[in-house]
Amino acid sequence: DIQMTQSPSSLSASVGDRVTITCRASQSISSYLNWFQQKPGKAPKLLIYAASSLQSGVPSRISGSGSGTDFTLTISSLQPEDFATYYCQQGYSTPHTFGQGTKLEIK
Amino acid sequence: QITLKESGPTLVKPTQTLTLTCTFSGFSLSTSGVGVGWIRQPPGKALEWLALIYWDDDKRYSPSLESRLTITKDTSKNQVVLTMTNMDPVDTATYYCAHRRGGPTRERTFDYWGQGTLVTVSS
Repeated sequence: DIQMTQSPSSLSASVGDRVTITCRASQSISSYLNWFQQKPGKAPKLLIYAASSLQSGVPSRISGSGSGTDFTLTISSLQPEDFATYYCQQGYSTPHTFGQGTKLEIK
Repeated sequence: QITLKESGPTLVKPTQTLTLTCTFSGFSLSTSGVGVGWIRQPPGKALEWLALIYWDDDKRYSPSLESRLTITKDTSKNQVVLTMTNMDPVDTATYYCAHRRGGPTRERTFDYWGQGTLVTVSS
């Protein structure tokens, strides 16, 4: 299985801050990398696919980059609705493993 | 629009077999490239990919659970069924089904999810 490692595991930030979450794959996955946002008691929501493509309806303050083994999710100016847990997932080979999650909390 | 909904027991006993049904609308599982997957999440923990079935009936499983999982589809009923044998308390989790879209391979991902169903394993 390809292991996905996110950092940090948790992050405190303020509204208006720029934040970056990192995801590293245990082997090259090209650009087969997705990012999801999950709020408590809700299903995950797709934010970014193919490493850098923004899913329809997702605000442009959210962006993704990277290829190979190293990827980042950036939120340029945090809004109150962005406080949630974020997961990366590789779609390169099954099982399509997820990272352990990054919890973004209000400072 | 695409919707999915999971159904099944909320409580199962250890060693029993769990059967979950994902009933969907807004797409066809006979469309090239499309799939339906199952993902679970123990309380307070991360997401875990379980299984995926494709439009052509190709099936993929998590290697760590493959011996216990079976995924099937009924295209005429718009349903996907996941069975998991020999349930244990560590299998307590919210189980989600999700639509995996077709198109270019890099874009194939879970873009629509069901609301999830909490399954508790306890005697």
